[in-house]
Amino acid sequence: AQKVTQAQTEISVVEKEDVTLDCVYETRDTTYYLFWYKQPPSGELVFLIRRNSFDEQNEISGRYSWNFQKSTSSFNFTITASQVVDSAVYFCALSEAYQAGTALIFGKGTTLSVSS
Amino acid sequence: DSGVTQTPKHLITATGQRVTLRCSPRSGDLSVYWYQQSLDQGLQFLIQYYNGEERAKGNILERFSAQQFPDLHSELNLSSLELGDSALYFCASSVVDRGHTEAFFGQGTRLTVV
Repeated sequence: AQKVTQAQTEISVVEKEDVTLDCVYETRDTTYYLFWYKQPPSGELVFLIRRNSFDEQNEISGRYSWNFQKSTSSFNFTITASQVVDSAVYFCALSEAYQAGTALIFGKGTTLSVSS
Repeated sequence: DSGVTQTPKHLITATGQRVTLRCSPRSGDLSVYWYQQSLDQGLQFLIQYYNGEERAKGNILERFSAQQFPDLHSELNLSSLELGDSALYFCASSVVDRGHTEAFFGQGTRLTVV
């Protein structure tokens, strides 16, 4: 069965600190996709990144970076030099790649609070 | 703006009532998903439609139903509402019905059952 675990329920940091959000997943499929979504206080879910199971290259987008390691079934998300605007709930999600009728399996989310 | 539109944004209703939530997907997206977000259950998949046909069912109660119309908008019907149905309901859309594409979410409908 598919499962996504975000062990960190809440994280509090001070502005400019780096912070890493952990995500561990379980799947029996060899082909799958991993996602991160951000839910700011306004409530909408914002897509951040998609990663496929064949590509273990780390990705960097501005202050955001993602570390995908199949050996440990982890897809961690790091925010460098955090800002108050990064305060949100962050969700990691998993889906099977090629099966019709698949949906996202979400973790419980990590609430990040960045103070000034 | 994700391009996915959900109405209404807020809904307050009484127990036992029936409500309809509406979703317009992004232009060109054929797949629509409904998710429920509650404090105790987190984000849970309810149901998916693709080009008018039901594709997959998740943890959707029998009191809930959905459909996707020829213009691709979708409606989620919730009936015999209970206090526990209070939640944020999201609609998401994607181009295809398979999991390798990202889904874009609407702003959600916050349902409060009193």
